Amino acid sequence: DAGVTQSPTHLIKTRGQQVTLRCSPKSGHDTVSWYQQALGQGPQFIFQYYEEEERQRGNFPDRFSGHQFPNYSSELNVNALLLGDSALYLCASSYNWASKETQYFGPGTRLLVL
Amino acid sequence: AQKITQTQPGMFVQEKEAVTLDCTYDTSDPSYGLFWYKQPSSGEMIFLIYQGSYDQQNATEGRYSLNFQKARKSANLVISASQLGDSAMYFCAMRELNSGGSNYKLTFGKGTLLTVNP
Repeated sequence: DAGVTQSPTHLIKTRGQQVTLRCSPKSGHDTVSWYQQALGQGPQFIFQYYEEEERQRGNFPDRFSGHQFPNYSSELNVNALLLGDSALYLCASSYNWASKETQYFGPGTRLLVL
Repeated sequence: AQKITQTQPGMFVQEKEAVTLDCTYDTSDPSYGLFWYKQPSSGEMIFLIYQGSYDQQNATEGRYSLNFQKARKSANLVISASQLGDSAMYFCAMRELNSGGSNYKLTFGKGTLLTVNP
């Protein structure tokens, strides 16, 4: 049973560039959430996708956008990268109708903006 | 105000001993869920244990148990018989189940770095 997978594992970009991160949810899961984890901090919620729609968004600017595909996989796009966007980006999947809706995380993508 | 507070930046424990990691939370929502995750240096967040606000008993999962004190708004993680592989960051998180269930995000604390000594 495959867990949550993310690609790429590491990425280096320069300020002003755009980046796309990818996530495949755990088998049987239909909901994908994205989190940003800065060094030494806990993860911060970016947004969640369900039924190909963004159904909740955290306190992140519009430079952060996403998409969910019919197979439940998801992309996170960040435009006009800033130095402060350097972080570990974590994808989490869950099953919408599960009683606890526990979110299971992938290994993350480490983004470095120079 | 922080919703999740983990006051221990770092903790040390001897192998085979038990350790308690503290977590306090702040919410006015009567319905919520509390989670603990482990994050090794590799970065992946590993789900450990869940406690619902209406659960009558404290949650247990193998060597992990949650000391849930609702009136004090605390949800401490107890790890019994520590192993070297338990060395990692541990995060407490909460999901507030707003009326209508419209909130889906997890709010995390800043974490506690646990080091297990041989």
